[in-house]
Amino acid sequence: GQSLEQPSEVTAVEGAIVQINCTYQTSGFYGLSWYQQHDGGAPTFLSYNALDGLEETGRFSSFLSRSDSYGYLLLQELQMKDSASYFCAVRDHTGEAAGNKLTFGGGTRVLVKP
Amino acid sequence: DAGVTQSPTHLIKTRGQQVTLRCSPKSGHDTVSWYQQALGQGPQFIFQYYEEEERQRGNFPDRFSGHQFPNYSSELNVNALLLGDSALYLCASSLYGGEQFFGPGTRLTVL
Repeated sequence: GQSLEQPSEVTAVEGAIVQINCTYQTSGFYGLSWYQQHDGGAPTFLSYNALDGLEETGRFSSFLSRSDSYGYLLLQELQMKDSASYFCAVRDHTGEAAGNKLTFGGGTRVLVKP
Repeated sequence: DAGVTQSPTHLIKTRGQQVTLRCSPKSGHDTVSWYQQALGQGPQFIFQYYEEEERQRGNFPDRFSGHQFPNYSSELNVNALLLGDSALYLCASSLYGGEQFFGPGTRLTVL
C-alpha cells in the first residue's frame, strides 16, 4: 500500500524559515507534489518534483531524494498568510493506466505568529 | 478562464439518501478525479475519469459511482449515505497524466 508521513503541526514567527519533511512508501512512483490548503478552501498546487534535487519557486522550495523516499518543502520569509495546512502527495499510477492519482499525507498545519 | 467549478457548495442529507455532486473541469482539461477529505485529514482518492471511462479507483465501496460526459464534466454519485460519508468532496481536473488542479469542493453533511 501507499503511505506518507509528515509532521502534524509546525509553529514559527514571521520572517522565519520552516521545513516540512515528507517520507513515503509507494509503488509506481512518478513524483512528489506539494499543496497548500487554507481553512475552508481547496488544495492549491505549490510544486512538483519528479527528479532528485531542489526546485525553487519564489519563497517556496521543494526537494526530492528518490533513493531515500524523502522530500521536503521549505517555506522562507514566512508571512501571516502562509498559515495553512501543507500536504505532500505522491503522484502514482496503478495497473496499465498512464494517468495519475494523488496519494496524500495527513498534512502539516503551519501556524505563523507575529 | 474559469478554473474547476463544483456544485453545490454545501449539501445536507439524511442517512440512506442518495446524492449527486457535479464538477466542471478547467478549460482544456480532459481528466477528472474525485477525492474525499474528512475533517483534519488529507484528501483520499475515490476515482478518476478519462474519455468517459473510470480509469483508476481508490479503496471506496460500490456505493460511490461516477460518470463523465462528452464535454468532460463529471458527476459523483453516492448511494445509501452513511454518517461517515460526511466530508468535503473535491474534484480535480488535469490533462491525462498531468498536474491536478482542485475545485472549491462540496461540503456534504449526513445527518
